[in-house]
Amino acid sequence: ELKVEQNPLFLSMQEGKNYTIYCNYSTTSDRLYWYRQDPGKSLESLFVLLSNGAVKQEGRLMASLDTKARLSTLHITAAVHDLSATYFCAVMDSNYQLIWGAGTKLIIKP
Amino acid sequence: DTEVTQTPKHLVMGMTNKKSLKCEQHMGHRAMYWYKQKAKKPPELMFVYSYEKLSINESVPSRFSPECPNSSLLNLHLHALQPEDSALYLCASSQILSGTYEQYFGPGTRLTVT
Repeated sequence: ELKVEQNPLFLSMQEGKNYTIYCNYSTTSDRLYWYRQDPGKSLESLFVLLSNGAVKQEGRLMASLDTKARLSTLHITAAVHDLSATYFCAVMDSNYQLIWGAGTKLIIKP
Repeated sequence: DTEVTQTPKHLVMGMTNKKSLKCEQHMGHRAMYWYKQKAKKPPELMFVYSYEKLSINESVPSRFSPECPNSSLLNLHLHALQPEDSALYLCASSQILSGTYEQYFGPGTRLTVT
């Protein structure tokens, strides 16, 4: 059974700092997704990572995938307040269903 | 068009009411999903339709009844719900058999059962 573990679950940081969110998963998969959710809102797709070594960047966010280590990272560079949200990683299992991490609540303080 | 729409945005219903949630997409996706999300938790998969046929039912109580009238529409019929069913209900769609399988989510329906 595929399990997905995210850490940290909560992160409070200052604007301008860098930080990384980690997503580990327990069995083989080569499809991993990152989503953002603002309070009371729906899920917004950020990145789709489909192969080992994949790296995607959008603004101050960069995601990478290491399928051998079963690890994805979401790196935040020079954080700004607008990036405050909950970030979820999700891994596709052998039935093409998404298995979700618990989410990382990110608060960025001015 | 990469939009999934859902109606209504908010719904308050009593435990004896019958109501329906609606979802629509025009991206040509042949998989559609219902998720339930409680506060501070990840989404929980409820149902999956592939090519308008129910392919996954994650042991959801019978008071939730899904329906897929055509490839663009997905309904969730609600009857005799319990207060613990209050949550954000999300619809999503994706391609299957090709592409990234990325799931696109609608804005959700915030359901309160009184």
